[in-house]
Amino acid sequence: EAQVTQNPRYLITVTGKKLTVTCSQNMNHEYMSWYRQDPGLGLRQIYYSMNVEVTDKGDVPEGYKVSRKEKRNFPLILESPSPNQTSLYFCASQRTGGDTDTQYFGPGTRLTVL
Amino acid sequence: AQSVAQPEDQVNVAEGNPLTVKCTYSVSGNPYLFWYVQYPNRGLQFLLKYITGDNLVKGSYGFEAEFNKSQTSFHLKKPSALVSDSALYFCAVRPTGGFKTIFGAGTRLFVKA
Repeated sequence: EAQVTQNPRYLITVTGKKLTVTCSQNMNHEYMSWYRQDPGLGLRQIYYSMNVEVTDKGDVPEGYKVSRKEKRNFPLILESPSPNQTSLYFCASQRTGGDTDTQYFGPGTRLTVL
Repeated sequence: AQSVAQPEDQVNVAEGNPLTVKCTYSVSGNPYLFWYVQYPNRGLQFLLKYITGDNLVKGSYGFEAEFNKSQTSFHLKKPSALVSDSALYFCAVRPTGGFKTIFGAGTRLFVKA
């Protein structure tokens, strides 16, 4: 089954404690992206990657890092989380063969930073 | 700046009645338009998209959307709402030639039995 998986699904942590949210897709997609979803703001892009070792900032990259060492994986790293990073996070992937293609989303990770 | 507006935070309809969820956009050129649905504790699921051609696009679960270039709108419609349609709906726009997608804030649809 074609899917995007994220782990963990729920995470409660404290300010300053480094964490990683993993994302993996099994569709051989080149393009992957991280979004955060906040009420009234919709989805905002944090980082994206066009392919292995190619990443770039989205609209709200501050406080986040990413890496793309393998095509299927695109982890999101919060080196020193703060309460304003409490949010619902989604990973998504897409082929780059056509810019009309849809994105496939993971189930989301709800992060709470105390 | 490029943007997508969903003017209604919530839409309430009775089961069996037609529904409309509104979306307007401000993006130059001829962007691609998408609708996604999000059920509780789930990721976004693709409903339909407009690329070119017929202004009325049909999608999953009986949904359709009407593209209006002059009004830069892409309203989501369904002739007869179901309780199971209750969810959060996102309109999204992608400028041509790239992969960045701009999302609206979302509209919560509540269908009452």
